Amino acid sequence: DQQVKQNSPSLSVQEGRISILNCDYTNSMFDYFLWYKKYPAEGPTFLISISSIKDKNEDGRFTVFLNKSAKHLSLHIVPSQPGDSAVYFCAASGSGNTGKLIFGQGTTLQVKP
Amino acid sequence: NAGVTQTPKFQVLKTGQSMTLQCAQDMNHNSMYWYRQDPGMGLRLIYYSASEGTTDKGEVPNGYNVSRLNKREFSLRLESAAPSQTSVYFCASSDSQGNTEAFFGQGTRLTVV
Repeated sequence: DQQVKQNSPSLSVQEGRISILNCDYTNSMFDYFLWYKKYPAEGPTFLISISSIKDKNEDGRFTVFLNKSAKHLSLHIVPSQPGDSAVYFCAASGSGNTGKLIFGQGTTLQVKP
Repeated sequence: NAGVTQTPKFQVLKTGQSMTLQCAQDMNHNSMYWYRQDPGMGLRLIYYSASEGTTDKGEVPNGYNVSRLNKREFSLRLESAAPSQTSVYFCASSDSQGNTEAFFGQGTRLTVV
């Protein structure tokens, strides 16, 4: 069973608009959540993270929201840029080892100029 | 700063052949990981090493062995390759102190025919 789910395989938005990527999880022991971005033929690169003691974390154009009661997190990108076009992976950790991650399936974001 | 370096980048094997994927990091990280990425499934943890001298199984360890050669290097071995092991393999490393993200290599695309 998939402990971390990204139910939207793809998302297309217009440049300058907001992109919202969603992620759901089932394991209440997860205490740290991360978003990674991946371009073709490259490894995933870290984007932003949030600890379970917070409900929001911002870094420039990127904001992650965590709703623990719903076991849901989302990544907001405002404003979206064509260079943001990539696959976005949600990942969760619960072991105290933040490299030992459970990943979602990924969402492909396309930002149209 | 090279970060996490994987070799080779591409490999084609025949069923039953063996090979070793190499990984080295120059960030003085304690923990290292091997993941595989398959279409529609995100990344899944194969093996990890929390510190030099230790290794543990992840979600999908069958058919693989690992060696933590020293603090910098962590290799993944396929003893008898099978078509089901066709995948993209990523090595990663992280600092085990506190909530810090994992850094990924560029990946090895392996095809078993």
